[in-house]
Amino acid sequence: DAKTTQPPSMDCAEGRAANLPCNHSTISGNEYVYWYRQIHSQGPQYIIHGLKNNETNEMASLIITEDRKSSTLILPHATLRDTAVYYCIVRPRGGADGLTFGKGTHLIIQP
Amino acid sequence: NAGVMQNPRHLVRRRGQEARLRCSPMKGHSHVYWYRQLPEEGLKFMVYLQKENIIDESGMPKERFSAEFPKEGPSILRIQQVVRGDSAAYFCASSPFEGAGMASPLHFGNGTRLTVT
Repeated sequence: DAKTTQPPSMDCAEGRAANLPCNHSTISGNEYVYWYRQIHSQGPQYIIHGLKNNETNEMASLIITEDRKSSTLILPHATLRDTAVYYCIVRPRGGADGLTFGKGTHLIIQP
Repeated sequence: NAGVMQNPRHLVRRRGQEARLRCSPMKGHSHVYWYRQLPEEGLKFMVYLQKENIIDESGMPKERFSAEFPKEGPSILRIQQVVRGDSAAYFCASSPFEGAGMASPLHFGNGTRLTVT
């Protein structure tokens, strides 16, 4: 699986948009980008995934660059409950393999 | 539709005892994955199972650990003769069976926190 690079930590003010970057420069054409988050002492929570088009759901938006070498997860109106570690993961399309978690980005929402 | 259910949420065992952790996947899911998270560390893949088959156990310690996913009932992660270093959070995830070209995400339970005293 391609590796990902994320900043170790970020701060964001409550009510503002949180933009979390991820580099995956070695991603291959059949690999999806997945985002998960882990709130302290809970299991990882699926947020969103995409292949090459931008995606949006009730939780977040995912913007993937045209060359697919990087992506940004956007939480449009961050709340204190969005404080968590956010993981960007690439996984082959059609692969039933597990996810490989890196260190992620610790996002802290400031009141 | 209930999510991935893990029990117990907390388990305390003395050194040398056995620990059995259970995971019921989401309805319709036939793939189960187990992960371990040591204190202040990241999630590490342990094993991937389908019904009655172990597909990938590359992350399982070679001794004392085993996993099964029987035709009926939950998946079980079994740790024999536990040691203090086994203290961790153990998470289970599930996903549906699907053919090539699909990309359903894994859904995780809230884990079992094992404490070895």
